Amino acid sequence: EAGVAQSPRYKIIEKRQSVAFWCNPISGHATLYWYQQILGQGPKLLIQFQNNGVVDDSQLPKDRFSAERLKGVDSTLKIQPAKLEDSAVYLCASSLVSPLAIATGELFFGEGSRLTVL
Amino acid sequence: AQKITQTQPGMFVQEKEAVTLDCTYDTSDPSYGLFWYKQPSSGEMIFLIYQGSYDQQNATEGRYSLNFQKARKSANLVISASQLGDSAMYFCAMREGDNYGQNFVFGPGTRLSVLP
Repeated sequence: EAGVAQSPRYKIIEKRQSVAFWCNPISGHATLYWYQQILGQGPKLLIQFQNNGVVDDSQLPKDRFSAERLKGVDSTLKIQPAKLEDSAVYLCASSLVSPLAIATGELFFGEGSRLTVL
Repeated sequence: AQKITQTQPGMFVQEKEAVTLDCTYDTSDPSYGLFWYKQPSSGEMIFLIYQGSYDQQNATEGRYSLNFQKARKSANLVISASQLGDSAMYFCAMREGDNYGQNFVFGPGTRLSVLP
């Protein structure tokens, strides 16, 4: 079974430039999360999708961050314009959700996209 | 308010010894799940163990066990017989609500260093 795919793995940009990250979740996983992980800290939720609808984007800085999940499969996270404090690893995760499933609902993570803003 | 608290920023343990990583959580939802993840220096997030709020017994997975004390709202991870490869960041996380893809929050993490 293929895991969560993310690209690019690394990106270096200058402040005020824009960047986009792509995520393809595990097939069949309805829920998709984007997390921001600053060095030495725990992942912080940016946005959560259920299929192609937004469940929670309360911590997404909407003046500069946007995300979409067209057709309820892959997703794109965009930052425009980037600030120095956006330097972080952006983690995408997906989970299997079902009221009938006995799965624990754990998150499956991609390898992350490391952003450096100069 | 922090939903997940991990009070140990760093821990050291001698190889082959056991170590306990602390986690306390805060929720008013009667249904929730608690998770531990390991993040080595390579950056990948590895799922270790899960405990459901209604589970009567503490979860175990190989060398990992979860000391679940519901009344105290704690979910400590116990690693037995530590190995050098256990050196990593460890995150406690909580999913509130049932298995409908609800809110999933992480703690700040504990960095574990295993000494030879």
